[in-house]
Formats: sequence, structure tokens, C-alpha cells
Amino acid sequence: NAGVTQTPKFQVLKTGQSMTLQCAQDMNHNSMYWYRQDPGMGLRLIYYSASEGTTDKGEVPNGYNVSRLNKREFSLRLESAAPSQTSVYFCASKTGTFYGYTFGSGTRLTVV
Amino acid sequence: GIQVEQSPPDLILQEGANSTLRCNFSDSVNNLQWFHQNPWGQLINLFYIPSGTKQNGRLSATTVATERYSLLYISSSQTTDSGVYFCAVEMLGGGADGLTFGKGTHLIIQP
Repeated sequence: NAGVTQTPKFQVLKTGQSMTLQCAQDMNHNSMYWYRQDPGMGLRLIYYSASEGTTDKGEVPNGYNVSRLNKREFSLRLESAAPSQTSVYFCASKTGTFYGYTFGSGTRLTVV
Repeated sequence: GIQVEQSPPDLILQEGANSTLRCNFSDSVNNLQWFHQNPWGQLINLFYIPSGTKQNGRLSATTVATERYSLLYISSSQTTDSGVYFCAVEMLGGGADGLTFGKGTHLIIQP
């Protein structure tokens, strides 16, 4: 039982390049989330998908797009990376309103 | 949106000491979780505790939902307890809208 799996774990991009961060969960959870964590701060919500087929903006969505590919997978795309997007990205999932969230191990992204 | 404040921001203790971390939140919540982020960056779920008291080994947590705060107790600290402790909440009625995190308490346990 792997839980929430994120790939890649590390990535360096040049300004203007694009990339997709992948997230998959094997717990049959309905809702999935993307967060970013900047130094000295807590996590901030970028986008979420409350259920398969829906996506919504979180607190800091600018510069990102998401796709809920199926119930298991939720990807985050940076179309034109900027240095301000240097961060650690976490994916999370949960099954319902009164249940806890499970987090992946994170992707450390550096944009130079 | 809901506000989450954690205190203290930093805490340095000797191995064996006890500590209490506090989380205040500004609105009623569906969900409150405590996480430990270890020095390698992994987020480890400690407690799902929207109300009441739970214990897991040397750690325990209490949430008083009516007064909008939660406490995390760490007893007999070990160096492996070092890291950042986050409190995160989901607003009541927020459904699947995601967690709002505090800025964390950075705990250093010295041998």
C-alpha cells in the first residue's frame, strides 16, 4: 500500500520551460490536492479536485494548471516556469469530509 | 478565510524535556490535523483531532473546538522529535476545500 506517490522527487528547470508533476494515490480517495511550501512557511493550496471530473482553484493558482486524469491521478502543470515557482510541492488526498488528509513525500523544484 | 496561528514559532529543548505546542484558529472546523515535518522534508501525520483528546506513545493532542484551539504535547523529548510541527484545519462546512496550515513551530531537541 503505497499511499500517495509523487514523481519526480527533484527537478531543475530553466525559466520558461514547462513540466508536469505527477501524483497518484491507491487508497480510492475521492479528493486530491496540490500544495506548495516555501521556506519558513506552511503549505499553501494551489488547486484541488473534490471528486473525479472537477477541479477548483486554491489560494495560489496563478501559473499552474491541473488535470484530474482519473480517480487515482492528479497532475500539476507549469506551462512557463518562473523562479518564483521554486518550491517544494506536495500532493495530498482524502476520502471524505470527516477524514484526515494523506500527503505524498514532495517534489523539490528549482527554477533557474 | 480561516486563520491559523501557532506558538511558539521556535523552541529549543534538551533531550528528555516536555513541551506544549499551541494552535489557535479563527473559525469552526471540520478537521484539524497535526503534522511533523522531519529534517528530510517528509510530512508525517500525527493526529486527526477535530475535537477531544488522543494519545500515541509520547505524543498527545487535545482540541477544544468551542474555544478554537488545539494543543500538542510531547513528553520525554528525543532528538528524533526535531523538525517543524504544523497544525492544519479545514473550515466547518468547507467539505473538500483543503487544509489551511499554520506557519509551524520549529522544534530543536539537543542531546
